[in-house]
Amino acid sequence: AQSVTQLDSQVPVFEEAPVELRCNYSSSVSVYLFWYVQYPNQGLQLLLKYLSGSTLVKGINGFEAEFNKSQTSFHLRKPSVHISDTAEYFCAVSDRHSGGYQKVTFGIGTKLQVIP
Amino acid sequence: DTAVSQTPKYLVTQMGNDKSIKCEQNLGHDTMYWYKQDSKKFLKIMFSYNNKELIINETVPNRFSPKSPDKAHLNLHINSLELGDSAVYFCASSQGDNSGNTIYFGEGSWLTVV
Repeated sequence: AQSVTQLDSQVPVFEEAPVELRCNYSSSVSVYLFWYVQYPNQGLQLLLKYLSGSTLVKGINGFEAEFNKSQTSFHLRKPSVHISDTAEYFCAVSDRHSGGYQKVTFGIGTKLQVIP
Repeated sequence: DTAVSQTPKYLVTQMGNDKSIKCEQNLGHDTMYWYKQDSKKFLKIMFSYNNKELIINETVPNRFSPKSPDKAHLNLHINSLELGDSAVYFCASSQGDNSGNTIYFGEGSWLTVV
């Protein structure tokens, strides 16, 4: 079984400061990893995902994440946040070998609060 | 042109009533999902259909019954609504093969049971 742990439920950060949102996963097999963002009163949308290849993945809105297999982590970073980045961020994992169909498990989310 | 659309967006109803939420996607995907998000933002999968066939059915009460008339539609019917059913329900879709496909979400249906 796969699981995702997001270590911080809330992260306050000042505008233009860097931010890191932490994510660790647990799985007995190879995985795909995702970060989704949910703005207030909206559905989730994909920020970025790791499928294979380079462990540094770049996404939309200046976000990036690094896959670290030895530490089973996929932390999300942005060098300088804007007010508009205030949202809930979800890390997610899916097993590469789940029998032909995709089953994605989401973390509990991290609320990023950007302070002016 | 909305990719995954669900209706209604807001629904307030009394305990014991039966209600439905409809969902349609125009992305040509063959897999659709229903997720439930509780007040603490925890997102949990309820059902998944691939080409109208049920492939994921998590431990959801029998009062919840999904129906997929075709691969572009997945509706959710809830019988005998309870207070604990109050949540945001998200419909979503993706390509069906397991190759790390992006899941596209609708904007959610806010269900409040009073």
